[in-house]
Amino acid sequence: GAGVSQSPRYKVAKRGQDVALRCDPISGHVSLFWYQQALGQGPEFLTYFQNEAQLDKSGLPSDRFFAERPEGSVSTLKIQRTQQEDSAVYLCASSQLGGLGYEQYFGPGTRLTVT
Amino acid sequence: AQTVTQSQPEMSVQEAETVTLSCTYDTSENNYYLFWYKQPPSRQMILVIRQEAYKQQNATENRFSVNFQKAAKSFSLKISDSQLGDTAMYFCAFMKLASGTYKYIFGTGTRLKVLA
Repeated sequence: GAGVSQSPRYKVAKRGQDVALRCDPISGHVSLFWYQQALGQGPEFLTYFQNEAQLDKSGLPSDRFFAERPEGSVSTLKIQRTQQEDSAVYLCASSQLGGLGYEQYFGPGTRLTVT
Repeated sequence: AQTVTQSQPEMSVQEAETVTLSCTYDTSENNYYLFWYKQPPSRQMILVIRQEAYKQQNATENRFSVNFQKAAKSFSLKISDSQLGDTAMYFCAFMKLASGTYKYIFGTGTRLKVLA
């Protein structure tokens, strides 16, 4: 089946604009993760969903960041009033809960540039 | 809090040679997983190899193997017979088994270049 997909692949936003980033996980995957990857850095955890429940949002950097997964499949990461420091690649990953040794399957990412 | 350190920002290796990427981590947990992920240029991150902390035997996947030293909190990746397609960023990641979340903690990565 298809892998994890993300849209848009590239997004340019003016400072102060709101953006919405979409993630389509692998069908049937219970767990969904969002990570932020700054240039030249490793991914940093933002938030985790198990089905529609957001079980961990400890990595969200501010209250401008909001994520949802209302039906337990597609997820949206929303950033309000974007700032230049929000420029990064946003990665989505999905996983079977505990299956296959906790392997996470990553999407291609959305590269957000805030000007 | 857990931390993962990759002390080699960049490495290069000749095609067909062997290279070892280092990773150390800090945790007080006893039950956890360790991973190496590969991120080719402009492509998606994919799993290379995983290691369960309770297993003493080092994991192996074809040309990729790990040297897991639990007491030293070290988890290095050895790539044998390096191929041009191995050129990528390599990330070491730690995951603890705890209820409520299964997040990865990543290192800063090692950029590996395989030379023809």
